[in-house]
Amino acid sequence: EVQLVESGGDLVQPGGSLRLSCAASGFTFSSNGMNWVRQAPGKGLEWVSYISSSSGTMYYADSVKGRFTISRDNAKNSLYLQMNSLRDEDTAVYFCARGINYYDTSGSYHYYFDYWGQGTLVTVSS
Amino acid sequence: SSELTQDPAVSVALGQTVRITCQGDSLRSYYVSWYQQKPGQAPVLVIYGKNNRPSGIPDRFSGSSSGNTASLTITGAQAEDEADYYCFSRDNSGNHPHWMFGGGTKLTVL
Repeated sequence: EVQLVESGGDLVQPGGSLRLSCAASGFTFSSNGMNWVRQAPGKGLEWVSYISSSSGTMYYADSVKGRFTISRDNAKNSLYLQMNSLRDEDTAVYFCARGINYYDTSGSYHYYFDYWGQGTLVTVSS
Repeated sequence: SSELTQDPAVSVALGQTVRITCQGDSLRSYYVSWYQQKPGQAPVLVIYGKNNRPSGIPDRFSGSSSGNTASLTITGAQAEDEADYYCFSRDNSGNHPHWMFGGGTKLTVL
């Protein structure tokens, strides 16, 4: 059974830092790209960051670029999100999600999240 | 950057059919996936690709796409389908790949 378990959420002051972790089990972690997605209280979902299976490629949403760093340790089956210079608007539940990408028989590209963790709450407030 | 637009709220009578739509320029190039989220829970994938359902998702859920609009159809809505629904796709603007969610549609089953 695939499991993703986030941890590290906390109350932090504006300008502070926090590191989130996501422990993966039940699948070959090193074979999949992984993502962080967040959801502010009462708001919709926002994709935050992506890392490829080998850590060779990372992408970030414009809202976090330059402040957040995604990383992974395939030996530990773990995904991380280092968050620096935190702002009030970073307050959210942060989910890790396994990404699946493929090209279908017509050559069309597909990308989706097939498994999600339960999330960890980050609150940025003074 | 481009956007995915969803109606904020939709309602359907129990057992009837409802269509939830997602509009965006990037949908002319990329497929969407659809996620169901109930209060206090993580999102759940319900449709991906052209019209594929993960194991465990009832066949009353289906997806379609035409031009810049993708749709999630629930045929014979059940009380347990009441939830928020989000579309998700690639953002085709900018130099590097980004992904984006629609704003979400709150489905009420009457």
